[in-house]
Amino acid sequence: GAVVSQHPSWVICKSGTSVKIECRSLDFQATTMFWYRQFPKQSLMLMATSNEGSKATYEQGVEKDKFLINHASLTLSTLTVTSAHPEDSSFYICSARTRRTDTDTQYFGPGTRLTVL
Amino acid sequence: RKEVEQDPGPFNVPEGATVAFNCTYSNSASQSFFWYRQDCRKEPKLLMSVYSSGNEDGRFTAQLNRASQYISLLIRDSKLSDSATYLCVVFEPEGGKLIFGQGTELSVKP
Repeated sequence: GAVVSQHPSWVICKSGTSVKIECRSLDFQATTMFWYRQFPKQSLMLMATSNEGSKATYEQGVEKDKFLINHASLTLSTLTVTSAHPEDSSFYICSARTRRTDTDTQYFGPGTRLTVL
Repeated sequence: RKEVEQDPGPFNVPEGATVAFNCTYSNSASQSFFWYRQDCRKEPKLLMSVYSSGNEDGRFTAQLNRASQYISLLIRDSKLSDSATYLCVVFEPEGGKLIFGQGTELSVKP
């Protein structure tokens, strides 16, 4: 149980285009989803927290107009990187939390590797 | 100061060696502590939680010192399959967030 999927697993796009990444909880309802970004040799950095049906809360320094997050249902959250640039190339990982588990328990998706040319 | 700091790596050890990782955290209000393992190009996976009384899971032992805000992970009898990056993670209740250290890379050689 507690499986989280991400799609796509990798994507290459041209500079200036937008890319949408999906995060799905497959066998549970995710009341809260988190989006992280990880650059090579660096740690996971939390970008934003989203609760189903409400606006995402972004971490300091993360542009909300560039990284659009939608958490429209209890099993799906999407991250759209708008007008992507090479510096946005990174490993994007989502995680999900369910109301039934402890608040410190998160289930991680397999990640999406974005390369912007 | 980083919220969660770990030993700089990489650690290169022979099979069978014992290796210890250290971690310090800055927020004294932190409640829960974990070690995660991350393989190259994969998501992090929970290795073990860390309790004040110390806990052991097979070859892995984790310790927490709240007074010093210090966490450790000891791996005994290292295996080739232990090669990975080990992430020290702290849960901050105020924001309900997991804070990740930068990770320490371990490479176990034959």
